[in-house]
Amino acid sequence: AQTVTQSQPEMSVQEAETVTLSCTYDTSESNYYLFWYKQPPSRQMILVIRQEAYKQQNATENRFSVNFQKAAKSFSLKISDSQLGDTAMYFCAFMKQGAQKLVFGQGTRLTINP
Amino acid sequence: DAEITQSPRHKITETGRQVTLACHQTWNHNNMFWYRQDLGHGLRLIHYSYGVQDTNKGEVSDGYSVSRSNTEDLPLTLESAASSQTSVYFCASSEAGGGKETQYFGPGTRLLVL
Repeated sequence: AQTVTQSQPEMSVQEAETVTLSCTYDTSESNYYLFWYKQPPSRQMILVIRQEAYKQQNATENRFSVNFQKAAKSFSLKISDSQLGDTAMYFCAFMKQGAQKLVFGQGTRLTINP
Repeated sequence: DAEITQSPRHKITETGRQVTLACHQTWNHNNMFWYRQDLGHGLRLIHYSYGVQDTNKGEVSDGYSVSRSNTEDLPLTLESAASSQTSVYFCASSEAGGGKETQYFGPGTRLLVL
């Protein structure tokens, strides 16, 4: 069974700083997808970014980028020029290709301070 | 715009009662999922469906059931509510395969079992 671990329960940075959230996963699969979801105080789960394991290039979405290290089974999220609206819980998630089910980490609570 | 909705948004019930949480999506997605979110556990999969008349058990399915009679809806039933089922419940949907497995989430239902 796959597991996802987020080792940082909480993080706090100043506005405009860059912050990196860590995620590691355990799987014997070769083909899979990795996701970062954001959950603001409204509790809505919002997709931040997605990475296909077969792609060597790291995914980017505006201020959000990932560092995908397949051999190390690591998938960190970097938020550049952080904004107050980035304050949220962030969840890393794994999906085996074809399984279409998500396995989530425990989450990291990120606070952006003014 | 296509969306996924859940009702009710908040529910208080008593132990032993049967409770049904509704999930409705207008994305025309084949796949639908139910998760529960508890502190320290992230989101855990309860049940899922890959299409009409198809249902499958997830990681924490005991005490829950689902049925899929059409594409749009996947209601979640707690057969006899227990205090351990106090949680926030999220419904999600996705397309079937072809690299389109990204899941989109509803706003959540907060359930309190007294």
